[in-house]
Amino acid sequence: GAGVSQTPSNKVTEKGKYVELRCDPISGHTALYWYRQSLGQGPEFLIYFQGTGAADDSGLPNDRFFAVRPEGSVSTLKIQRTERGDSAVYLCASSLMGLATDTQYFGPGTRLTVL
Amino acid sequence: SQQGEEDPQALSIQEGENATMNCSYKTSINNLQWYRQNSGRGLVHLILIRSNEREKHSGRLRVTLDTSKKSSSLLITASRAADTASYFCATVVANSGAGSYQLTFGKGTKLSVIP
Repeated sequence: GAGVSQTPSNKVTEKGKYVELRCDPISGHTALYWYRQSLGQGPEFLIYFQGTGAADDSGLPNDRFFAVRPEGSVSTLKIQRTERGDSAVYLCASSLMGLATDTQYFGPGTRLTVL
Repeated sequence: SQQGEEDPQALSIQEGENATMNCSYKTSINNLQWYRQNSGRGLVHLILIRSNEREKHSGRLRVTLDTSKKSSSLLITASRAADTASYFCATVVANSGAGSYQLTFGKGTKLSVIP
């Protein structure tokens, strides 16, 4: 079956602009995660959805970042007033139920570059 | 913040040799997982070891966990050029306030296997 997909694969924007990054999880997976990975670092947790609700948004760095999952499948990460420090690879992952021992399946990521 | 610290940061070996990567962490965990990443994009889950387990095997992979020392190791035996990638340990910690679990990654070990 299809894995996690993310679009676009690359996004270049200017400082101050608004961007949306999309994630299509594996069908049937109720848990969805967003991570951010800066160069030379491991992924950092941003937000976790269980179904349609954001169960844990403790990793969002500030209120410029927001994410939605209105129908419990596709999710969109939204970044307002982008800054150069937002440049990173944004990774999405899904798992079956969000249990501690569930495997998280990662998408290929969106590389965001803020000029 | 990143909990895990991998050691070494980079490792270069000849094909056929064994590769050992270590990971240390700071807080109590539910389980610890190892992931592989090629070319800075999507991560692939390799193996999970629960906090009450000491050793686990999967093919050419062997993982150990010492909760008293808060450390884990990943051994890849009989390495191949195709094993060249970055390897990350990730601890699973409960976010009791949110009723969820977070994966917290280290910075990774960059493994190069020379043919």
